[in-house]
Amino acid sequence: EPEVTQTPSHQVTQMGQEVILRCVPISNHLYFYWYRQILGQKVEFLVSFYNNEISEKSEIFDDQFSVERPDGSNFTLKIRSTKLEDSAMYFCASSRYSGRSASTDTQYFGPGTRLTVL
Amino acid sequence: KNQVEQSPQSLIILEGKNCTLQCNYTVSPFSNLRWYKQDTGRGPVSLTIMTFSENTKSNGRYTATLDADTKQSSLHITASQLSDSASYICVVSASGGSYIPTFGRGTSLIVHP
Repeated sequence: EPEVTQTPSHQVTQMGQEVILRCVPISNHLYFYWYRQILGQKVEFLVSFYNNEISEKSEIFDDQFSVERPDGSNFTLKIRSTKLEDSAMYFCASSRYSGRSASTDTQYFGPGTRLTVL
Repeated sequence: KNQVEQSPQSLIILEGKNCTLQCNYTVSPFSNLRWYKQDTGRGPVSLTIMTFSENTKSNGRYTATLDADTKQSSLHITASQLSDSASYICVVSASGGSYIPTFGRGTSLIVHP
């Protein structure tokens, strides 16, 4: 069964460094998402992406974050200058149709990348 | 402000027993409500998705209900199994402009043999 994959599974970085988290969505999916979950807290939406542009972004997704689909398979989240509070599990998800309005498309989540900022 | 509240925060039951988890929301205008199962250290897995016109949906031993008037949903698990031990998350999305979903904090379910 197709699944969303993410690399690396764990990333440790120093505060102020740039990190790139990578995701390979399910091949025939059109919509891509990033979420984060700080340890012990609820999942939070970061951004959705469709047709090579951002569809929605939350207040968390500020100028230090960017997303890109550099080729036909990868979807990346870049954090330019990491802060201690960026330490979290980052989940990528994909869905076949739009996440807007009353759509009932299923989102498939990857296993996550645990980011630790020291 | 859109909010999703889940109860109980945690629940311990014996294998084979049934249980019901609750979700109350203030998201408006309502688009859809999703229940996810999240195993520790893993990504959420979709269980059910319901729109305004649906008041019940089943997925195997999982049955979700929705009362859009009172803005409440429940997830009923029948004949629990050890593998049901996980966090169950309620997520509500609005319509009419912003898709951004609102997540609940989840109910941590532990099933004991």
